[in-house]
Amino acid sequence: DVKVTQSSRYLVKRTGEKVFLECVQDMDHENMFWYRQDPGLGLRLIYFSYDVKMKEKGDIPEGYSVSREKKERFSLILESASTNQTSMYLCASSYGYEQYFGPGTRLTVT
Amino acid sequence: ELKVEQNPLFLSMQEGKNYTIYCNYSTTSDRLYWYRQDPGKSLESLFVLLSNGAVKQEGRLMASLDTKARLSTLHITAAVHDLSATYFCAVVWNGGATNKLIFGTGTLLAVQP
Repeated sequence: DVKVTQSSRYLVKRTGEKVFLECVQDMDHENMFWYRQDPGLGLRLIYFSYDVKMKEKGDIPEGYSVSREKKERFSLILESASTNQTSMYLCASSYGYEQYFGPGTRLTVT
Repeated sequence: ELKVEQNPLFLSMQEGKNYTIYCNYSTTSDRLYWYRQDPGKSLESLFVLLSNGAVKQEGRLMASLDTKARLSTLHITAAVHDLSATYFCAVVWNGGATNKLIFGTGTLLAVQP
């Protein structure tokens, strides 16, 4: 079975803090994705990566950056967290089209 | 840019009833997925639909695809409480270096006894 893990299920940070969300997959997938999920808006793509050290902006990249130094790990970085970044963050990986999701990190920025 | 619209956003139904969730998308696509998300949990893939007229069924759920109408439906037959969850459709978009999934807004299904 494909396994995608995320470093934290719940996280509470203060405005202005730098936040790291980590995602690890164990299936040697080329592609990895970060989404945020908000009620009534579905999943929105923040960034994705199709290879080590490669990244592409998704639909809502502002306020976020990413890092992919190893194939199995994809990190989402909030350089200076703001309250409007309070959300559920989901990581996914894929080899072809189908994406496999991690359990999610619920981030609250106060 | 591909847009995906899903309706309804919220569906409350009684056990034993039938209902359909609709997923419309704006441009041609290779394939469409349906995912299920239980409260507090991640997304689980239910179906992948690859061609016009494709129909997949599992248990009380049946998904179909009409690529000419750019429409997919998820039909629920004789609903039971265990089906309560949020359902997402997602359409593949081949617009860059890799393929992306564009998600609908989700349908929160609540099945009442």
